[in-house]
Amino acid sequence: NAGVTQTPKFRILKIGQSMTLQCTQDMNHNYMYWYRQDPGMGLKLIYYSVGAGITDKGEVPNGYNVSRSTTEDFPLRLELAAPSQTSVYFCASSYSIGEGYTFGSGTRLTVV
Amino acid sequence: AQSVTQLDSHVSVSEGTPVLLRCNYSSSYSPSLFWYVQHPNKGLQLLLKYTSAATLVKGINGFEAEFKKSETSFHLTKPSAHMSDAAEYFCVAHTSGTYKYIFGTGTRLKVLA
Repeated sequence: NAGVTQTPKFRILKIGQSMTLQCTQDMNHNYMYWYRQDPGMGLKLIYYSVGAGITDKGEVPNGYNVSRSTTEDFPLRLELAAPSQTSVYFCASSYSIGEGYTFGSGTRLTVV
Repeated sequence: AQSVTQLDSHVSVSEGTPVLLRCNYSSSYSPSLFWYVQHPNKGLQLLLKYTSAATLVKGINGFEAEFKKSETSFHLTKPSAHMSDAAEYFCVAHTSGTYKYIFGTGTRLKVLA
């Protein structure tokens, strides 16, 4: 029972590079989310999706893009990486709005 | 505006003593409230949730929380701390009809032997 799987676990990027953070869930959840976690700041919502083909911006979407072509996958794309994007990124999913999340184990990204 | 305040950024307790992690929320409507635990280098795990049923909510690993509307609080408690409880804890609020979950800034619990 995998739950929410994120890859990679760690990554170092140079300023200006691009990358995609992968997120897959096997629980048939319609709702998926991307958060970033910065020390002492809690979690901030980047993007979310309510189903395949439907995405929307969260609180801090600048510098990121997402797509949702299937129920299972919700990749997060970073274009032109900047040091301000150094953070831990969590993907999460839920069965419905208002229910608790299932989180992935996170991706620790450093931009240098 | 909706907000969640975790009143202590760090809490230290001795093993076997009670745990109290404090959370206050502000919301125009009665929110759904959650507590999550995050162990080092791990994702967040749901401990318990309140969704307008019983005000005393029991969760996993012996934790419970009480919703007090008059005090706008949702404090997390455990009668006896265990070394494995050392982690960071997040209080989270969700307002019905929105996609927005508001996270508190976290409380790091340290358990002393």
